[in-house]
This record gives sequence, structure tokens and C-alpha cells, in this order.
Amino acid sequence: QVQLQESGPGLVKPSETLSLTCAVSGYSISSGYYWGWIRQPPGKGLEWIGSIYHSGSTYYNPSLKSRVTISVDTSKNQFSLKLSSVTAADTAVYYCARHSSAAGTDWFDPWGQGTLVTVSS
Amino acid sequence: SSELTQDPAVSVALGQTVRITCQGDSLRSYYASWYQQKPGQAPVLVIYGKNNRPSGIPDRFSGSSSGNTASLTITGAQAEDEADYYCNSRDSSGNLNWVFGGGTKLTVL
Repeated sequence: QVQLQESGPGLVKPSETLSLTCAVSGYSISSGYYWGWIRQPPGKGLEWIGSIYHSGSTYYNPSLKSRVTISVDTSKNQFSLKLSSVTAADTAVYYCARHSSAAGTDWFDPWGQGTLVTVSS
Repeated sequence: SSELTQDPAVSVALGQTVRITCQGDSLRSYYASWYQQKPGQAPVLVIYGKNNRPSGIPDRFSGSSSGNTASLTITGAQAEDEADYYCNSRDSSGNLNWVFGGGTKLTVL
């Protein structure tokens, strides 16, 4: 059974860099799939941030692309998110998920439990 | 604004059938996936592809697609189905970018 768990600081100061890690258990990241980050501001909907293929190719939301870096560490079986120059608008619950892609269809499953990151001084 | 459009809220009487829709140009080429989210919980995949249910999802959940509209149908809605539902697909650029719909709040009366 594949499980994902997000970790990282719950409070980040404005203009600094948000850094989160997603630890994967029950499956080796290097074996396949995309691995994605999604966020949800309080009381709002879901927003795809970006995904990384197991080989290292990355795909980012165009609206966040200039500030986002997603990387994978196969030795630790985890992948990470960095979001630079954060503002209060980046306050959200951040989820990681396994991202499957097939002909004509994509899906995110399973998801981590999510971690709330607040941007405040 | 999202490239996938959902009605903000839908209601259904207990035991009745409800359809939640998602509209977007990319849905002419790609199937949507659907997620159920209950308060304080992570989203859960309920439908993906043409009409596939992950293990553990009740068969009262089904998916369909026509033109630029994808639909999630719950046949015989239960009280525990009250939740927010989100659709997801690629964006209309044809690039590897993914978008979520704005979400639909389902109330079971």
C-alpha cells in the first residue's frame, strides 16, 4: 500500500522560500509514475503546483513556474517542493500525491494527509 | 479562474440520483478525474479515465463524458456522500499542465 507523508515548516516569513518534502512508502519512486504537489488555500479550491516524473522531468503550473522547483531524491524515496518569494497568498494546505498518466487520462492517487503552511511575519 | 468550470453547489435528496458536471475545452480530448473531499480531510479519487473506480469506491459513483462536459453521477446518494467534489484534467494548451475545477459542494437533504 503506497503512502505519502508531507513534512516541513508550518510557518514561513514573507519573501522567504517554502520548502516541503514528501516521503513515499510502499513504492519505489524510481520505478515509475509522476509525483505531484497540489495546494488548497483556506476555504478555497485545489490548485496543481507541479509534477515530477520519476526520471526527473518537471512540469509546473505556468502561474507559479518562476517560483517553483520540484526535485526527487531516489536514495531517500522522497520528492520535494521549493516555492520562493512567498507572500500571504501562498498560505495553504499543501498536498503531495502520486500522479498517474495514461493515454487520454490522468489522476492523482493516493494523496498525503496535507500540511498547512502559513506565510506570516 | 479555472479552465474547468463546475457549479458551486448542488443538492440531492437522500437516495436520489445527482449529476455533478465539469466543463472545459480540454475535456474534448482528455477524460476528467474526480475527487471527493470531506471537511478537514485530503481529497480522495473516486473516478478516473472513461469510468473507472478505485478499489473501495462504491459502485453508486460513475463517470461519463460528452463533448466538453464530464459528469460524475451518484446513483442513490447517501448521507456520507455530502462533500466537495473536484474535477481535474489537462489544460487546453495541450502541454503537460493540469488544472482542477473550482469544486462543487454537494448537500444531501
